[in-house]
Parts: sequence; structure tokens; C-alpha cells
Amino acid sequence: QKEVEQDPGPLSVPEGAIVSLNCTYSNSAFQYFMWYRQYSRKGPELLMYTYSSGNKEDGRFTAQVDKSSKYISLFIRDSQPSDSATYLCAMSVIRYAGGTSYGKLTFGQGTILTVHP
Amino acid sequence: NAGVTQTPKFQVLKTGQSMTLQCAQDMNHNSMYWYRQDPGMGLRLIYYSASEGTTDKGEVPNGYNVSRLNKREFSLRLESAAPSQTSVYFCASRPSGSFNEQFFGPGTRLTVL
Repeated sequence: QKEVEQDPGPLSVPEGAIVSLNCTYSNSAFQYFMWYRQYSRKGPELLMYTYSSGNKEDGRFTAQVDKSSKYISLFIRDSQPSDSATYLCAMSVIRYAGGTSYGKLTFGQGTILTVHP
Repeated sequence: NAGVTQTPKFQVLKTGQSMTLQCAQDMNHNSMYWYRQDPGMGLRLIYYSASEGTTDKGEVPNGYNVSRLNKREFSLRLESAAPSQTSVYFCASRPSGSFNEQFFGPGTRLTVL
């Protein structure tokens, strides 16, 4: 069983729709929860991150974490064609060694989203 | 400020050939990472370097070696390429003050025939 599971889609929605992207995880040690966005033939870029259970909003995007259920979601309101991309959830455990902190990210498989006009 | 750069952008190899993927960052980040991305598998960590002079294995290190040449550069070497190593390879770096944000390069698309 993978530590992080994400429905790969693809997901196709009309412009203006509300999009829900989801991930489940099995490792209760995960401390940080992130969403990366990856446009075609580009590297991923951080969209949002959160530490605690609950909701975090940033414009049209809302990240939700439920640690008790080991479930995270990303909601996109009023979706736009420019939101068409692959969305990857990622989680991390922070470790400390030699006076340095470092985190390794574990990614979900990514969900391909297309928003059509 | 170029961020994270990777060379080459594309490469085709024959089974058994060797090559080195180059990565450099100009953001003065301590930590650097190599990932591979395959359809349906997401990003998987190959090797990482928490700081200059240190390297550690990630989830899928077999068949690869790395060198942290200096603070800016982190290279990935395939000694004897296999078709299973056909993938898109991403290099990333992370600033010391951030636990979460990794900055990714544009990727190298590698095909092994």
C-alpha cells in the first residue's frame, strides 16, 4: 500500500465549476500537507501548504486537512481554463540531524485537471 | 536569477550507455533533490543532499549515483542505463527556512531504448 493515494483522474470540468481534489494517506507521522501544481512539460510549483487540521484559504483555493481521517482536499472555486494542470498532493515529516532540519516529501500520483471554456 | 536549471532537456540512450544529468541552482539553497516522474506513479525521490558534502538515498536509488559537487550543483549519474529508467527526471532545491517548498527545475526527458 502506498503511503499517499491520489485519484489520477483525469478530471474534466466546465469553466466556473467547483473542483474537488483529494488524497488519503496512511502515515500518521506526516506533519505538513501541501498541494503542488504542475503545468504540462514544467516542474511542479508549490500552491498551498498547511500544518494543522482544518481549512486554509488563498483566493479561489481552499486546502482542507482532516488528520483523524487521514484525508486532505483541495477545492478550486470558479475554476478557469488557466487552472488546467496536474495537481499533486505532498506530505512531509521533518527530521533533524547534525543541527540541520530537513524534510522529505512524499507525493501522490497527481490528478490531471482540464477546465474547458 | 535562473532558479533551478537542468541539462539536457531531452536525451535518448541505448541500453547499457551511461550519462550524467546536471542540475544547478542559484538561490543559495542547502538542500537539493532528484526525483523521477512516471505515469501513475507520481514523483519518487531518488537521492537527496541535505547540505553540501552529504548525500542520502531516497525511495528508488538503485541504478543511480549522485554527486554534490558544491553548494550549487547536484548531478545524477546513470552508469548502465536500462529501459526501466525511461522517465522524466526533476531536480529540486529547498531553502533552509522552509520545510515544505521545493523549487523544481524544468525536467529532463530520458528515453532508454
